[in-house]
Amino acid sequence: DTGVSQNPRHKITKRGQNVTFRCDPISEHNRLYWYRQTLGQGPEFLTYFQNEAQLEKSRLLSDRFSAERPKGSFSTLEIQRTEQGDSAMYLCASSPPLGRGEGDTQYFGPGTRLTVL
Amino acid sequence: LAKTTQPISMDSYEGQEVNITCSHNNIATNDYITWYQQFPSQGPRFIIQGYKTKVTNEVASLFIPADRKSSTLSLPRVSLSDTAVYYCLVGGRSGYSTLTFGKGTMLLVSP
Repeated sequence: DTGVSQNPRHKITKRGQNVTFRCDPISEHNRLYWYRQTLGQGPEFLTYFQNEAQLEKSRLLSDRFSAERPKGSFSTLEIQRTEQGDSAMYLCASSPPLGRGEGDTQYFGPGTRLTVL
Repeated sequence: LAKTTQPISMDSYEGQEVNITCSHNNIATNDYITWYQQFPSQGPRFIIQGYKTKVTNEVASLFIPADRKSSTLSLPRVSLSDTAVYYCLVGGRSGYSTLTFGKGTMLLVSP
């Protein structure tokens, strides 16, 4: 078990460009979450997948944001036409299937730090 | 989702025991209490989780009174490396949990 991995770890882009982040959850974890964290604040929930199905999206997830988990394994988060306000740490977390005694424990990746110039 | 209240910051010295209390007055019957630790530029790391009474693992202890309206994370003999932000969260066990993080407690451990 190598933990949740995220790539890239850092991304610097110019305003208006599109960016895509990748998250590889812990193997056999069928639940996957994306969060956003700005300086001095706790992480804010963005979206949740169970297997390949996107079951919930926060109102923070504007039309410029899209997340996918096509095969129920890795996930991508794309931000189109980035704005300076998108600068933040984007965190991914995963959880094992329900009914195995760890239903509500989330394991976080190291995050991708996005800087929009 | 139950709201939590915890101190913004705490200071301690190496070797001391640190207790961080979290209030969650409107905790629901099926809510569990979970604590996470976060270092700068890293994702939160699960520390401990409990439902009632006391839970202990190799890292910390969690004390939950009978009314479950608060909980206390206890870190024995802290070291400099325990300097971090600690988050208290409550959430349901059934289904998924969209964790709601507050600002957490910034613990500073000094020599």
